[in-house]
Amino acid sequence: NAGVTQTPKFRVLKTGQSMTLLCAQDMNHEYMYWYRQDPGMGLRLIHYSVGEGTTAKGEVPDGYNVSRLKKQNFLLGLESAAPSQTSVYFCASSWGGDEQFFGPGTRLTVL
Amino acid sequence: AQTVTQSQPEMSVQEAETVTLSCTYDTSESDYYLFWYKQPPSRQMILVIRQEAYKQQNATENRFSVNFQKAAKSFSLKISDSQLGDAAMYFCAYSGGANSKLTFGKGITLSVRP
Repeated sequence: NAGVTQTPKFRVLKTGQSMTLLCAQDMNHEYMYWYRQDPGMGLRLIHYSVGEGTTAKGEVPDGYNVSRLKKQNFLLGLESAAPSQTSVYFCASSWGGDEQFFGPGTRLTVL
Repeated sequence: AQTVTQSQPEMSVQEAETVTLSCTYDTSESDYYLFWYKQPPSRQMILVIRQEAYKQQNATENRFSVNFQKAAKSFSLKISDSQLGDAAMYFCAYSGGANSKLTFGKGITLSVRP
């Protein structure tokens, strides 16, 4: 089992460009999450999903959109990237109510 | 809203010694989970230990144990016989409610002196 995988691992964007981060899990988890990690801030929840076809806002959703068309995939989109979105992005999945399993992270730099 | 507070940004411990990392949280829920995650330089988030709030017994995993004080809303992590590989950032996290979202503290950087 691969667990939780994220694509890409690194990316550099120019302000105003768009991109999509892909998260995939092979554990048949219902719940999936997107977090961002910034120095001195811990991890903060951007969006999450409690099942295929559902999404909900987290703590810092502005500037991001998500989709969960398939149970195993959770996509995070940036329509018009801004330097404030420079961060490390983590995807996680779980059965709900217990441990979350994390992907390896994506380092995004917006110039 | 739930909050998790890790007030110490950095700590240092001598190899083979014991160190305790502090964490406090605030919640109105009665049933929840608490976690300690380790993040080494590789950036991977690794679960160290978890505690279910309804269990009075403190969780232990080999050299790692917690002191869970529910009334005081305190959840500290004790690392015994510290090893060089324990050097990392440690995050305390809370999960409760219907959607099982994790709320993280800001983390603490632990260094281990040889």
